[in-house]
Amino acid sequence: AQTVTQSQPEMSVQEAETVTLSCTYDTSESDYYLFWYKQPPSRQMILVIRQEAYKQQNATENRFSVNFQKAAKSFSLKISDSQLGDAAMYFCARIQGAQKLVFGQGTRLTINP
Amino acid sequence: DAGVTQSPTHLIKTRGQQVTLRCSPKSGHDTVSWYQQALGQGPQFIFQYYEEEERQRGNFPDRFSGHQFPNYSSELNVNALLLGDSALYLCASSKDRGLNTEAFFGQGTRLTVV
Repeated sequence: AQTVTQSQPEMSVQEAETVTLSCTYDTSESDYYLFWYKQPPSRQMILVIRQEAYKQQNATENRFSVNFQKAAKSFSLKISDSQLGDAAMYFCARIQGAQKLVFGQGTRLTINP
Repeated sequence: DAGVTQSPTHLIKTRGQQVTLRCSPKSGHDTVSWYQQALGQGPQFIFQYYEEEERQRGNFPDRFSGHQFPNYSSELNVNALLLGDSALYLCASSKDRGLNTEAFFGQGTRLTVV
C-alpha cells in the first residue's frame, strides 16, 4: 500500500515561535501533489498548503512553508510565528489516482500562550 | 458561496439499521468523494463519484454504497450498521482537473452506532 506517515502524534510550541511537523510518504508515481490540511475542533478540513512534486521550489503560504525532499520522500510543514488559532490536527496527504486523497494519521498541534 | 454542506451533523443509529448521509458540493464542483474518519485517525477514502458514476472505491465493504444526482449532490448509504461504523463521515468536492485539484471539505456527519 502506498502510505503517508506522520511520526509525531502530538507537538506543542510557544506562541510566536516556529514549529515543524514531519511527514514521509511512499509512491511509485513520478508526478503527484502533496498537501497539508488543518482540522480544527469544528471538524472541517482546511487546505493549508500544497506542493507539486515536479516543482523544485518549496511552497510558501504566508507563515506556512514546506520542506519538500523528493528523493527522501519527505514533506515537512513549518509554521512560523505560531498563533493560538493554529491549534488543530494537521494531516499530511497525497493525491493518488483521480483525486483520491491518502492521509497520514495526523499530528495534534498545541499552542502555548 | 455556501461551500460543501453535509447533513445531518450528528446521528445516532442502532446496530443493524441503515443510514443515509447527504452532501451538497461547492458551487461549480462536479466530483464528490466520501471519507470515513475514526476517532484519532486520518480520513480513509470510501469512494468517489463523478458524472453520477462511482469512479474509485476504497477498501470498504459493499454495505457502503452511494449515489450522485444530476445536480452533483451525493448520498452515502450504509446498511447493516456495525459498532465499528461509528465515525466522522466527511464529504469533499472538487472540480475534475486530474492531479491539480483542490478538495473542499464539509464539516462532516458524526455517526454513532449503539
